[in-house]
Amino acid sequence: NAGVIQTPRHKVTGKGQEATLWCEPISGHSAVFWYRQTIVQGLEFLTYFRNQAPIDDSGMPKERFSAQMPNQSHSTLKIQSTQPQDSAVYLCASSPRDSSYEQYFGPGTRLTVL
Amino acid sequence: AQKVTQTQTSISVVEKTTVTMDCVYETRDSSYFLFWYKQTASGEIVFLIRQDSYKKENATVGHYSLNFQKPKSSIGLIITATQIEDSAVYFCAMRGYGNEKITFGAGTKLTIKP
Repeated sequence: NAGVIQTPRHKVTGKGQEATLWCEPISGHSAVFWYRQTIVQGLEFLTYFRNQAPIDDSGMPKERFSAQMPNQSHSTLKIQSTQPQDSAVYLCASSPRDSSYEQYFGPGTRLTVL
Repeated sequence: AQKVTQTQTSISVVEKTTVTMDCVYETRDSSYFLFWYKQTASGEIVFLIRQDSYKKENATVGHYSLNFQKPKSSIGLIITATQIEDSAVYFCAMRGYGNEKITFGAGTKLTIKP
């Protein structure tokens, strides 16, 4: 079985440009989570969806960041007007059922903002 | 808000010995779940083991076991018979009963020497 798929694996953008990151959860999983990992801040929760509905976006920067899950097979994280401090590894995870405990992580997208 | 603290930045042990990693947490939730995840050198994040707060018995999976001390808000990870491939960064993490978002500690880098 394929794991969580994230594309692209690496993305380089210029300051002020837009970045869209894609996540395909494991087939049959009903929750998708987004996290960000940096050396300074570590692993930080951003947002999550359960059955395509947004549940908690408390970790999302209020400006410039948005996430969607238009269907059960993919989610996107969009960053508008990227800034150097947005440089990080963005991780997507999925979970198989309501209130299931374990989350299965994708390989991440390394975003570099120049 | 939940908080997870790992004070050990790095640990180095000889292969085939036992290692213990410390973790303390803070939460106002009466029920919660505690986890340990491992991040390999390739960046892959893998779930290892879970402890439910209402269970008194320490969880064990393979050569991983937990030392759960609820009054101390402590959840230590014990790895027995360590192998070279156990070298990785280990993250302690937790979530509440209702909300599925996970709060991670800063991680402990484990190096297994031959």
